[in-house]
Amino acid sequence: TQLLEQSPQFLSIQEGENLTVYCNSSSVFSSLQWYRQEPGEGPVLLVTVVTGGEVKKLKRLTFQFGDARKDSSLHITAAQPGDTGLYLCAGVENAGNMLTFGGGTRLMVKP
Amino acid sequence: AAGVIQSPRHLIKEKRETATLKCYPIPRHDTVYWYQQGPGQDPQFLISFYEKMQSDKGSIPDRFSAQQFSDYHSELNMSSLELGDSALYFCASSLGTRRIVGSTDTQYFGPGTRLTVL
Repeated sequence: TQLLEQSPQFLSIQEGENLTVYCNSSSVFSSLQWYRQEPGEGPVLLVTVVTGGEVKKLKRLTFQFGDARKDSSLHITAAQPGDTGLYLCAGVENAGNMLTFGGGTRLMVKP
Repeated sequence: AAGVIQSPRHLIKEKRETATLKCYPIPRHDTVYWYQQGPGQDPQFLISFYEKMQSDKGSIPDRFSAQQFSDYHSELNMSSLELGDSALYFCASSLGTRRIVGSTDTQYFGPGTRLTVL
């Protein structure tokens, strides 16, 4: 079983719609990072959340870390075709400092 | 801003050959991580180094070894290559580790090395 689970795995929406991606776990994380990855390239960091209940905004993207630091969400408002890509959540457990990834959400925004 | 540099970007090897991947972290970053990403899969943690010492070990095969040098760059050495080793190999770097107060463990990834074993 995967330590960190992301949902949905695939999402296809029309330009202008809103969407939310979820990242859930039964484990507590010291921090959680969201990345976006293009095919054949390295994950690019979007945000790091550290404090339970923390909310961070990056233009049309809103990231939230659960109060218990076990889950996180990414909400995109008024999605644009340029948002198309693979979104990855990754957590750092309290017991170590390696990243555990959540499986990814492949988003397609149609014009 | 300077990013993580990896070389080579592409590498083609035959079975049973050896390969060396190099990673140059962001300046002043002292922690390096190696990940392997197969087709359609998440990056999987292999190994990490903090201040030239191995700090964590993941699913790294015994045929692989790695080290971090005094200038903080790291090399991943892969021997007796198998077809299943074909993947993208990413290096990431961070400043400090969770063990240091104030560290957020944020890891910045390099562009990756695509290894193809024929």
